[in-house]
Amino acid sequence: DSGVTQTPKHLITATGQRVTLRCSPRSGDLSVYWYQQSLDQGLQFLIQYYNGEERAKGNILERFSAQQFPDLHSELNLSSLELGDSALYFCASSRSGGDVKNIQYFGAGTRLSVL
Amino acid sequence: GNSVTQMEGPVTLSEEAFLTINCTYTATGYPSLFWYVQYPGEGLQLLLKATKADDKGSNKGFEATYRKETTSFHLEKGSVQVSDSAVYFCALSRSGYALNFGKGTSLLVTP
Repeated sequence: DSGVTQTPKHLITATGQRVTLRCSPRSGDLSVYWYQQSLDQGLQFLIQYYNGEERAKGNILERFSAQQFPDLHSELNLSSLELGDSALYFCASSRSGGDVKNIQYFGAGTRLSVL
Repeated sequence: GNSVTQMEGPVTLSEEAFLTINCTYTATGYPSLFWYVQYPGEGLQLLLKATKADDKGSNKGFEATYRKETTSFHLEKGSVQVSDSAVYFCALSRSGYALNFGKGTSLLVTP
């Protein structure tokens, strides 16, 4: 068990809808990262938050947004969903951010199916 | 930009066989390198890491050496077990923010 908790485990929804994925980092970790894993794109970094502030952005679509709350949990919001958004979404956490030696610990993921 | 290339799978081996999964990277400067493993239905787990040239990461019988001259970080294990069946991802961190992952190599070990 990595200590990173993601809910829900599975999400099935329809095109055009909006969903929220939740992540609770390991105790003491200040950074939260979101990744998308799909068959065609592999594992892609979406966005990182550090202690409530956005720190780095990757290949995140404008329809997607995220935030980190004062208790350090994070939510990833996906809107106007398309079939191509079906994927496994991982959250990871680490003690800090910006250190190349940083180890990221991953949650079990949320599997999103858009029908 | 930063990128990781790893050998295509799937790789199928018999129990106790020798394993090598090749990984090469492109990055400026001195990235940290990682191997993560994903067991069926689970998230990614850190298997081992190396943060500077010639470092050797090791864990659970797996090893990988950071080779700057060949920009490689190949994963090896002398004798694989059925329980090693999983998907293995090579990754680098250049900025300390995002991890850049390879596409993953699926390993199946048969009894």
